[in-house]
Amino acid sequence: GAGVSQSPSNKVTEKGKDVELRCDPISGHTALYWYRQRLGQGLEFLIYFQGNSAPDKSGLPSDRFSAERTGESVSTLTIQRTQQEDSAVYLCASIIQVQTKNEQFFGPGTRLTVL
Amino acid sequence: DAKTTQPPSMDCAEGRAANLPCNHSTISGNEYVYWYRQIHSQGPQYIIHGLKNNETNEMASLIITEDRKSSTLILPHATLRDTAVYYCIILAGANSKLTFGKGITLSVRP
Repeated sequence: GAGVSQSPSNKVTEKGKDVELRCDPISGHTALYWYRQRLGQGLEFLIYFQGNSAPDKSGLPSDRFSAERTGESVSTLTIQRTQQEDSAVYLCASIIQVQTKNEQFFGPGTRLTVL
Repeated sequence: DAKTTQPPSMDCAEGRAANLPCNHSTISGNEYVYWYRQIHSQGPQYIIHGLKNNETNEMASLIITEDRKSSTLILPHATLRDTAVYYCIILAGANSKLTFGKGITLSVRP
């Protein structure tokens, strides 16, 4: 594909349900980020995958959040027992790192609404 | 990575140059200055980066002071489409974790 894709584009769920968000990065990009952006707020770092290294999970807000990445391809972000404060746009970015340049390419995001 | 300080907002007239300042007084010698922007309802977009020399590309110019403690992103002829939040970020290298601060909201007025 030409860019980063995310699915679903919109997700409405009831409080307490689990949700799974998917990110398909650009082929060949070794690094992948997940961010969260609440309405009117800045981007909040969640998790970072870099090649075969252990992921940097320091941004995950609670143990209800987890993410996996298969090799250098698809990543899924799972939120268990969703709460209303989880409502946000979840953005995925894949990164090409060429010499000194760290350029992130963002997907369109998944808008999660927890009722 | 070093922290950055940006004013919360600024505006400029369409067609004029927009000069966006950033302070990074604790920057280390191996850290780069990156600029990204986020247009409303879109994901952030890379603009430019530099180490110590001034840089220019098709989107903008980056001017870094000699002591590297501050920099300015210049949009030479701002358009209404340049209205966005602009983030100044310091990174130690291409493999460093990239996190976003609050940025500066640029409003370009007709």
